[in-house]
Amino acid sequence: QSVLTQSPSVSGAPGQTVTISCTGDSFTIGAGYFVHWYQQLPGRAPKLLIYNNNNRPSGVPDRFSGSRSGASASLAITGLQAEDEAEYFCQSCSSSLKIFGGGTKVTVL
Amino acid sequence: QVQLQESGPGLLRPSETLSLTCTVSGGSVSPYHWSWIRQSPGRGLEWLGYIRYTGATKYNSALRSRVSLSVDTSKNEIVLNLISVTAADTAMYFCVGETFSDVWTRPFDIWGPGTRVTVSS
Repeated sequence: QSVLTQSPSVSGAPGQTVTISCTGDSFTIGAGYFVHWYQQLPGRAPKLLIYNNNNRPSGVPDRFSGSRSGASASLAITGLQAEDEAEYFCQSCSSSLKIFGGGTKVTVL
Repeated sequence: QVQLQESGPGLLRPSETLSLTCTVSGGSVSPYHWSWIRQSPGRGLEWLGYIRYTGATKYNSALRSRVSLSVDTSKNEIVLNLISVTAADTAMYFCVGETFSDVWTRPFDIWGPGTRVTVSS
Protein backbone atom coordinates (compact mmCIF):
# COMPACT_ATOMS: atom_id res chain seq x y z
CA GLN A 1 0.00 0.00 0.00
CA SER A 2 1.30 3.44 -0.93
CA VAL A 3 2.59 5.74 1.78
CA LEU A 4 3.62 9.36 2.04
CA THR A 5 6.86 9.88 3.94
CA GLN A 6 7.61 12.96 6.02
CA SER A 7 10.54 13.68 8.28
CA PRO A 8 9.38 13.51 11.91
CA SER A 9 10.51 16.95 12.99
CA VAL A 10 12.04 20.24 11.97
CA SER A 11 12.89 23.34 13.94
CA GLY A 12 13.78 26.95 13.32
CA ALA A 13 14.17 30.28 15.04
CA PRO A 14 11.56 33.01 14.65
CA GLY A 15 11.93 34.70 11.28
CA GLN A 16 13.70 31.77 9.66
CA THR A 17 12.42 29.57 6.84
CA VAL A 18 11.67 25.89 7.35
CA THR A 19 10.80 23.37 4.66
CA ILE A 20 8.84 20.15 5.13
CA SER A 21 9.09 17.41 2.54
CA CYS A 22 6.58 14.76 1.57
CA THR A 23 7.71 11.84 -0.58
CA GLY A 24 5.24 9.62 -2.41
CA ASP A 25 5.61 7.23 -5.33
CA SER A 26 4.41 6.63 -8.87
CA PHE A 27 0.97 5.62 -7.64
CA THR A 28 0.33 8.81 -5.66
CA ILE A 29 2.10 12.14 -6.07
CA GLY A 30 4.13 10.81 -9.00
CA ALA A 31 0.91 9.89 -10.79
CA GLY A 32 -0.08 13.54 -10.78
CA TYR A 33 -2.53 13.54 -7.91
CA PHE A 34 -2.80 16.81 -6.00
CA VAL A 35 -1.04 17.30 -2.69
CA HIS A 36 -2.73 19.09 0.19
CA TRP A 37 -1.23 20.23 3.47
CA TYR A 38 -2.85 20.48 6.90
CA GLN A 39 -1.80 22.18 10.11
CA GLN A 40 -2.75 20.58 13.43
CA LEU A 41 -2.33 22.62 16.59
CA PRO A 42 -2.13 20.69 19.86
CA GLY A 43 -5.51 19.33 20.89
CA ARG A 44 -7.22 20.60 17.74
CA ALA A 45 -8.48 19.11 14.51
CA PRO A 46 -6.33 19.47 11.40
CA LYS A 47 -6.91 22.59 9.31
CA LEU A 48 -6.48 22.88 5.55
CA LEU A 49 -3.40 24.98 4.88
CA ILE A 50 -2.51 24.39 1.21
CA TYR A 51 -4.65 22.73 -1.45
CA ASN A 52 -3.95 21.51 -4.97
CA ASN A 53 -0.18 21.65 -4.48
CA ASN A 54 0.25 25.40 -4.07
CA ASN A 55 -3.01 27.22 -3.29
CA ARG A 56 -3.88 28.87 0.01
CA PRO A 57 -7.46 28.93 1.31
CA SER A 58 -8.79 32.31 2.32
CA GLY A 59 -7.28 33.44 5.61
CA VAL A 60 -4.04 31.45 5.41
CA PRO A 61 -1.02 33.77 5.61
CA ASP A 62 1.17 34.01 2.53
CA ARG A 63 4.22 32.89 4.50
CA PHE A 64 2.94 29.36 3.84
CA SER A 65 3.65 28.01 0.36
CA GLY A 66 3.56 24.63 -1.33
CA SER A 67 5.19 23.02 -4.32
CA ARG A 68 5.31 19.66 -6.06
CA SER A 69 7.98 18.06 -8.21
CA GLY A 70 7.89 14.53 -9.49
CA ALA A 71 6.81 12.19 -6.71
CA SER A 72 7.52 14.68 -3.92
CA ALA A 73 6.03 17.84 -2.48
CA SER A 74 7.19 20.51 -0.07
CA LEU A 75 5.68 22.99 2.33
CA ALA A 76 7.70 26.09 3.16
CA ILE A 77 7.10 28.40 6.07
CA THR A 78 8.93 31.69 5.66
CA GLY A 79 9.25 34.20 8.49
CA LEU A 80 8.55 31.51 11.08
CA GLN A 81 6.37 32.66 13.98
CA ALA A 82 5.74 31.18 17.42
CA GLU A 83 2.13 30.41 16.45
CA ASP A 84 3.38 28.15 13.64
CA GLU A 85 4.50 25.54 16.16
CA ALA A 86 2.30 22.61 15.21
CA GLU A 87 2.23 19.32 13.34
CA TYR A 88 1.93 19.43 9.56
CA PHE A 89 0.55 16.65 7.39
CA CYS A 90 0.63 16.14 3.65
CA GLN A 91 -2.19 14.30 1.91
CA SER A 92 -2.68 12.88 -1.55
CA CYS A 93 -4.44 10.03 -3.31
CA SER A 94 -3.91 6.83 -5.17
CA SER A 95 -6.54 5.58 -7.58
CA SER A 96 -8.55 4.10 -4.71
CA LEU A 97 -7.33 5.60 -1.48
CA LYS A 98 -6.82 8.95 0.21
CA ILE A 99 -3.63 8.87 2.24
CA PHE A 100 -1.75 11.05 4.69
CA GLY A 101 1.86 11.48 5.56
CA GLY A 102 2.99 10.62 9.07
CA GLY A 103 3.30 14.28 10.03
CA THR A 104 6.16 16.67 10.75
CA LYS A 105 6.40 18.45 14.08
CA VAL A 106 7.59 22.02 13.67
CA THR A 107 9.26 23.53 16.72
CA VAL A 108 9.93 27.25 16.98
CA LEU A 109 13.12 27.73 18.97
CA GLN B 1 -20.22 29.03 7.74
CA VAL B 2 -20.57 25.30 7.82
CA GLN B 3 -19.70 23.61 11.10
CA LEU B 4 -19.55 19.92 11.98
CA GLN B 5 -20.13 18.18 15.28
CA GLU B 6 -19.47 14.52 15.94
CA SER B 7 -21.35 12.60 18.62
CA GLY B 8 -21.49 9.04 19.88
CA PRO B 9 -20.30 6.69 22.60
CA GLY B 10 -16.80 7.22 23.89
CA LEU B 11 -16.28 3.68 25.15
CA LEU B 12 -17.04 0.35 23.49
CA ARG B 13 -16.27 -3.27 24.25
CA PRO B 14 -14.49 -5.46 21.67
CA SER B 15 -16.83 -6.93 19.04
CA GLU B 16 -19.41 -4.14 19.48
CA THR B 17 -20.54 -1.78 16.73
CA LEU B 18 -19.34 1.81 16.72
CA SER B 19 -21.97 4.28 15.56
CA LEU B 20 -21.07 7.97 15.26
CA THR B 21 -23.22 10.84 14.03
CA CYS B 22 -21.98 14.00 12.37
CA THR B 23 -24.37 16.96 12.45
CA VAL B 24 -23.91 19.66 9.84
CA SER B 25 -24.92 23.19 10.86
CA GLY B 26 -24.74 26.51 9.04
CA GLY B 27 -25.23 24.79 5.71
CA SER B 28 -26.51 21.66 4.00
CA VAL B 29 -25.12 18.22 3.30
CA SER B 30 -26.07 18.93 -0.31
CA PRO B 31 -24.32 18.90 -2.75
CA TYR B 32 -21.12 17.82 -1.07
CA HIS B 33 -19.03 14.80 -0.09
CA TRP B 34 -18.43 13.92 3.56
CA SER B 35 -15.67 11.75 4.94
CA TRP B 36 -14.72 10.15 8.22
CA ILE B 37 -11.07 10.22 9.19
CA ARG B 38 -9.55 8.80 12.34
CA GLN B 39 -6.28 9.54 14.10
CA SER B 40 -4.33 7.44 16.54
CA PRO B 41 -0.69 7.45 17.67
CA GLY B 42 -0.01 4.13 16.00
CA ARG B 43 -1.82 4.59 12.71
CA GLY B 44 -1.67 8.36 12.20
CA LEU B 45 -4.42 9.90 10.08
CA GLU B 46 -6.49 7.26 8.30
CA TRP B 47 -9.28 7.96 5.82
CA LEU B 48 -12.21 5.59 6.40
CA GLY B 49 -14.46 6.53 3.50
CA TYR B 50 -16.77 9.15 2.06
CA ILE B 51 -20.43 9.54 1.27
CA ARG B 52 -22.02 11.97 -1.12
CA TYR B 53 -25.34 13.66 -0.37
CA THR B 54 -26.86 11.29 -2.94
CA GLY B 55 -25.83 8.32 -0.81
CA ALA B 56 -22.99 7.23 -3.08
CA THR B 57 -20.07 5.87 -1.06
CA LYS B 58 -16.45 4.86 -1.33
CA TYR B 59 -14.57 3.09 1.45
CA ASN B 60 -11.02 2.36 2.48
CA SER B 61 -10.54 -1.25 1.41
CA ALA B 62 -8.27 -1.87 4.41
CA LEU B 63 -11.39 -1.84 6.56
CA ARG B 64 -12.90 -4.54 4.35
CA SER B 65 -16.64 -4.74 4.93
CA ARG B 66 -16.61 -3.40 8.52
CA VAL B 67 -17.39 0.22 7.70
CA SER B 68 -20.53 1.78 6.31
CA LEU B 69 -21.72 5.38 5.93
CA SER B 70 -25.20 6.80 5.57
CA VAL B 71 -26.63 10.28 5.10
CA ASP B 72 -29.92 11.82 6.20
CA THR B 73 -30.46 14.98 4.16
CA SER B 74 -33.57 15.94 6.14
CA LYS B 75 -31.61 15.99 9.38
CA ASN B 76 -28.33 17.17 7.84
CA GLU B 77 -26.55 14.20 9.40
CA ILE B 78 -23.92 11.70 8.34
CA VAL B 79 -23.61 8.43 10.23
CA LEU B 80 -20.59 6.14 10.51
CA ASN B 81 -20.98 2.52 11.49
CA LEU B 82 -17.99 0.30 12.19
CA ILE B 83 -18.72 -3.28 13.15
CA SER B 84 -16.69 -5.77 15.20
CA VAL B 85 -14.44 -3.18 16.80
CA THR B 86 -11.15 -4.10 18.44
CA ALA B 87 -8.59 -2.17 20.44
CA ALA B 88 -7.00 -1.18 17.11
CA ASP B 89 -10.07 0.98 16.42
CA THR B 90 -9.30 3.20 19.41
CA ALA B 91 -8.79 6.67 17.95
CA MET B 92 -10.05 10.21 17.56
CA TYR B 93 -12.72 10.18 14.87
CA PHE B 94 -13.25 13.26 12.69
CA CYS B 95 -16.16 14.11 10.42
CA VAL B 96 -14.82 16.06 7.45
CA GLY B 97 -16.43 18.02 4.63
CA GLU B 98 -15.12 18.11 1.09
CA THR B 99 -16.78 21.16 -0.43
CA PHE B 100 -14.16 22.43 -2.87
CA SER B 101 -15.14 20.27 -5.81
CA ASP B 102 -16.48 16.94 -7.02
CA VAL B 103 -13.18 15.56 -8.23
CA TRP B 104 -11.53 12.61 -6.42
CA THR B 105 -8.47 14.72 -5.55
CA ARG B 106 -10.41 17.41 -3.65
CA PRO B 107 -9.05 18.42 -0.23
CA PHE B 108 -10.61 17.95 3.19
CA ASP B 109 -11.62 21.53 3.90
CA ILE B 110 -14.03 21.44 6.85
CA TRP B 111 -13.21 19.44 9.98
CA GLY B 112 -15.28 18.74 13.05
CA PRO B 113 -13.55 18.91 16.44
CA GLY B 114 -13.48 15.12 16.64
CA THR B 115 -14.74 12.60 19.15
CA ARG B 116 -12.55 10.19 21.07
CA VAL B 117 -13.44 6.51 20.92
CA THR B 118 -11.87 3.89 23.16
CA VAL B 119 -12.32 0.15 22.69
CA SER B 120 -11.55 -1.77 25.83
CA SER B 121 -12.82 -4.79 27.72
